[in-house]
Amino acid sequence: EAQVTQNPRYLITVTGKKLTVTCSQNMNHEYMSWYRQDPGLGLRQIYYSMNVEVTDKGDVPEGYKVSRKEKRNFPLILESPSPNQTSLYFCASSFFTGGEKLFFGSGTQLSVL
Amino acid sequence: QQQVKQSPQSLIVQKGGISIINCAYENTAFDYFPWYQQFPGKGPALLIAIRPDVSEKKEGRFTISFNKSAKQFSLHIMDSQPGDSATYFCAALGAGKSTFGDGTTLTVKP
Repeated sequence: EAQVTQNPRYLITVTGKKLTVTCSQNMNHEYMSWYRQDPGLGLRQIYYSMNVEVTDKGDVPEGYKVSRKEKRNFPLILESPSPNQTSLYFCASSFFTGGEKLFFGSGTQLSVL
Repeated sequence: QQQVKQSPQSLIVQKGGISIINCAYENTAFDYFPWYQQFPGKGPALLIAIRPDVSEKKEGRFTISFNKSAKQFSLHIMDSQPGDSATYFCAALGAGKSTFGDGTTLTVKP
């Protein structure tokens, strides 16, 4: 089944403890992207990747890191999480540049205490 | 830096009625304008999308109207059903960047 898989689904952590949210797609998509969703603010783009080893900042990159060493994986790294990073995170992928249908994962609900 | 403004924030429609959600964008570099539907606990799913060289696109009960000169586009849901109750997001995409509206919560009353 074609899908974007995020793990974990839920995560509670404490301020300053490094964490990684994984994202994997099985559709051979070139493009992958991370978003955060906060109530009343829609989805805001954190980072995106047009291809392996190519990443770029979205609208809200501060406090986040990403890497794209393999085509199928695009992990989101929070080196030192803070409470303002408590949010619902979505990973998405598409065939080429992101200017076509985005396939979203099921989301990761992160709480930073 | 709100680049896509969506309205209304919430909408209540009777079953069988027409639901209309509007979006306005600023950046003319965007070249793909989708609408996403999201149910609680799920990721957004593409509903319908349009490119700026087309003024209207219809798929079943869903229609996008696009006005390039006004930099506005809208979603029309005909014959709205209770199963359409969800949050709807417009978006504008281009060159890797994507900007979403703040969302509209649609409630269709039976």
